Amino acid sequence: GEDVEQSLFLSVREGDSSVINCTYTDSSSTYLYWYKQEPGAGLQLLTYIFSNMDMKQDQRLTVLLNKKDKHLSLRIADTQTGDSAIYFCAETNTGGFKTIFGAGTRLFVKA
Amino acid sequence: SAVISQKPSRDICQRGTSLTIQCQVDSQVTMMFWYRQQPGQSLTLIATANQGSEATYESGFVIDKFPISRPNLTFSTLTVSNMSPEDSSIYLCSVRTGEQVEAFFGQGTRLTVV
Repeated sequence: GEDVEQSLFLSVREGDSSVINCTYTDSSSTYLYWYKQEPGAGLQLLTYIFSNMDMKQDQRLTVLLNKKDKHLSLRIADTQTGDSAIYFCAETNTGGFKTIFGAGTRLFVKA
Repeated sequence: SAVISQKPSRDICQRGTSLTIQCQVDSQVTMMFWYRQQPGQSLTLIATANQGSEATYESGFVIDKFPISRPNLTFSTLTVSNMSPEDSSIYLCSVRTGEQVEAFFGQGTRLTVV
């Protein structure tokens, strides 16, 4: 079945870049997403990438997709304390609208 | 985009009782889903709520424990039945439209069973 894996924790200093990695198993994945969840809040879609793309940039966020290795990464430039949250990698496959989530990476930003 | 309202936002319930969670969307949506997020864990899909027919449940979830209704394209309910402390979780409603890439999420219902 489908599976999405992420490392659980990442700690960076304010102003540095953060890179959060994700691997997935479903070769028919159509869209891959990064969601952000702040404490006590719901999920907020940060960005997504279509499976025929290699890279997508949106302000401080850069998404890289290596479809051959089924590896997705999210780079946050100039990380701020307000970026501290849990970041979920997710995918939706062809033929359905189910979204499968990874376990989430908790990002700690040290001032 | 879609704005989702979930009620209640949180509740503390006695074991053995049932709780019904409501999800109201401000526009008609194609698909509605219910997820569970157990403490410190990721989101697990419980079921797809189908308008006018029985929900489609994922492996490990059954209708007797999590009955779902979806009477129209803007509203759904999830009931957590005969609750035990293991049901303590955040329950999230999610919606998608056929044209959009994004899945929208409600703020969630934080359930504690004592």
